[in-house]
Amino acid sequence: SQQGEEDPQALSIQEGENATMNCSYKTSINNLQWYRQNSGRGLVHLILIRSNEREKHSGRLRVTLDTSKKSSSLLITASRAADTASYFCATDANSGNTPLVFGKGTRLSVIA
Amino acid sequence: DTAVSQTPKYLVTQMGNDKSIKCEQNLGHDTMYWYKQDSKKFLKIMFSYNNKELIINETVPNRFSPKSPDKAHLNLHINSLELGDSAVYFCASSQDNTQYFGPGTRLTVL
Repeated sequence: SQQGEEDPQALSIQEGENATMNCSYKTSINNLQWYRQNSGRGLVHLILIRSNEREKHSGRLRVTLDTSKKSSSLLITASRAADTASYFCATDANSGNTPLVFGKGTRLSVIA
Repeated sequence: DTAVSQTPKYLVTQMGNDKSIKCEQNLGHDTMYWYKQDSKKFLKIMFSYNNKELIINETVPNRFSPKSPDKAHLNLHINSLELGDSAVYFCASSQDNTQYFGPGTRLTVL
């Protein structure tokens, strides 16, 4: 069953602005991940945040997790045209190598 | 070097045909997956294999038969293709929680 729901479905911003995408999920999780998909390509892992973490940074990416609200956000600061892609959150309920449950993604367009 | 590769990248075929998609990973991972991404970009797990053994089969029609000859390969054979099978199929592998995806195979059934 579908787990993550990203919001908004589509986002268009100017280069240099920050982009915020949100994800909500329904059941308990072990961790939450964000992936990026360029048009016509496979998904690329961006960042993982564990259920006992609240915030994590990686370069221009900042992820927050609120397990009480079952939600996460991905912030991309100082966006670039090359950030244009679809962004998906994914969750898994168990530790180890289990399939991920993906949301429908947010389509981000960064206009130069 | 490509970590997870799939062939073919594009596959166009007629309804009723049988086709295969191949996947190979050179990461040394024990676990491999097949995902299906529909036209609305929704990505859903189909199968999961760990060390050549089927772990998860997510209510996929038995026209779909995965085969893992060794832990570096997970192929997907589809019998009697239907229009609704048109989608992009992604192979992935993982060793810990992070998954590495192949470039996808766009299947179009006419």
